[in-house]
Amino acid sequence: KNQVEQSPQSLIILEGKNCTLQCNYTVSPFSNLRWYKQDTGRGPVSLTIMTFSENTKSNGRYTATLDADTKQSSLHITASQLSDSASYICVVISQTGANNLFFGTGTRLTVIP
Amino acid sequence: DGGITQSPKYLFRKEGQNVTLSCEQNLNHDAMYWYRQDPGQGLRLIYYSQIVNDFQKGDIAEGYSVSREKKESFPLTVTSAQKNPTAFYLCASRPPGNTGELFFGEGSRLTVL
Repeated sequence: KNQVEQSPQSLIILEGKNCTLQCNYTVSPFSNLRWYKQDTGRGPVSLTIMTFSENTKSNGRYTATLDADTKQSSLHITASQLSDSASYICVVISQTGANNLFFGTGTRLTVIP
Repeated sequence: DGGITQSPKYLFRKEGQNVTLSCEQNLNHDAMYWYRQDPGQGLRLIYYSQIVNDFQKGDIAEGYSVSREKKESFPLTVTSAQKNPTAFYLCASRPPGNTGELFFGEGSRLTVL
């Protein structure tokens, strides 16, 4: 069964600190993986995409990693800001099927001053 | 500006009433999706459409209906048959290819009184 699990469910950190969010999946055959950021009451916005051959990719203070062997991805946020407070959703895309997007339940990050 | 427009942002409905949520896009995407989001849960697929005049049920289609008469429009009707309709509804469109990138609207929050 194709599943995506994220941890932790929620996280509170102090402004300026770093944090790492985890995403484990069983989706097969794997095509790519995206991390989305969703501000409260808004639609999600894509942060980064990881393909099978990529191990690490950075987008500003966000760095995503992918280990296709262990089927794990992480999103590391450096020097957190108050505006990073949001839900972060991991979406895994399979190679086949008309409905080939599999969503994690998200990690709710709260950055406090 | 190109994007997805959902309306209304907030909607209140009495039990037994049908309500239609609007979703319009000017991105020229063939594929469009409707998701439901509940607190603590991931996005769940209600319906999706890969082309005009065609749509498929998602994982939780019961109590919902859609139409796709125009490429730009994909309205969702929440019928009285939906047992627990209070939720945040997100519409998205998807460009060609398998990158898995979704462009989301700002969402519609439906509350049944």
